[in-house]
Amino acid sequence: DTGVSQNPRHKITKRGQNVTFRCDPISEHNRLYWYRQTLGQGPEFLTYFQNEAQLEKSRLLSDRFSAERPKGSFSTLEIQRTEQGDSAMYLCASRPDVVLTEAFFGQGTRLTVV
Amino acid sequence: DQQVKQNSPSLSVQEGRISILNCDYTNSMFDYFLWYKKYPAEGPTFLISISSIKDKNEDGRFTVFLNKSAKHLSLHIVPSQPGDSAVYFCATLSNFGNEKLTFGTGTRLTIIP
Repeated sequence: DTGVSQNPRHKITKRGQNVTFRCDPISEHNRLYWYRQTLGQGPEFLTYFQNEAQLEKSRLLSDRFSAERPKGSFSTLEIQRTEQGDSAMYLCASRPDVVLTEAFFGQGTRLTVV
Repeated sequence: DQQVKQNSPSLSVQEGRISILNCDYTNSMFDYFLWYKKYPAEGPTFLISISSIKDKNEDGRFTVFLNKSAKHLSLHIVPSQPGDSAVYFCATLSNFGNEKLTFGTGTRLTIIP
């Protein structure tokens, strides 16, 4: 296992289009997180899964955003009707089901909305 | 409300000297503190962590210090190397809720050869 994998690495889309990103976590990790990072800011929490259950969503996650983890393995993050303000790096992280341990991040998906 | 603050957006240090990065937090419920390093166009990489029951943790050139009464932690890198040039984020974790990481805004460290 080579770590958390995210696809695609880069996505350029026109405003109003839908985009979907995929995250494959480290295989034995139950917990999966999505973060968003914009220039000059730290990663901001978007949503969290424990196995297939989505347990928390940030207020940053508007109704245009939806995330799934159907079988408790990989996860997808979809953005509908993209806006220029959605341009950011989208990061996925996973952690084992052990209290207070570090999360491992993927390389991120850079979204540019034009 | 920024719960984790890194007040220095950038820091330049001569190669071989000590780099000290600082972080302040507001929530006394945080139990675990981490430092991540990030290169451009890559995801953050875990560097070192410390539990709230300790005040120091060391790993090679990296040492993290925690001052709970001041709600302050720092990362010391000694000696600094050119490959240490990156953005460093401190992050906190609580034993409550879903244990999501809360990040600071980062400090860009530049090591001058």
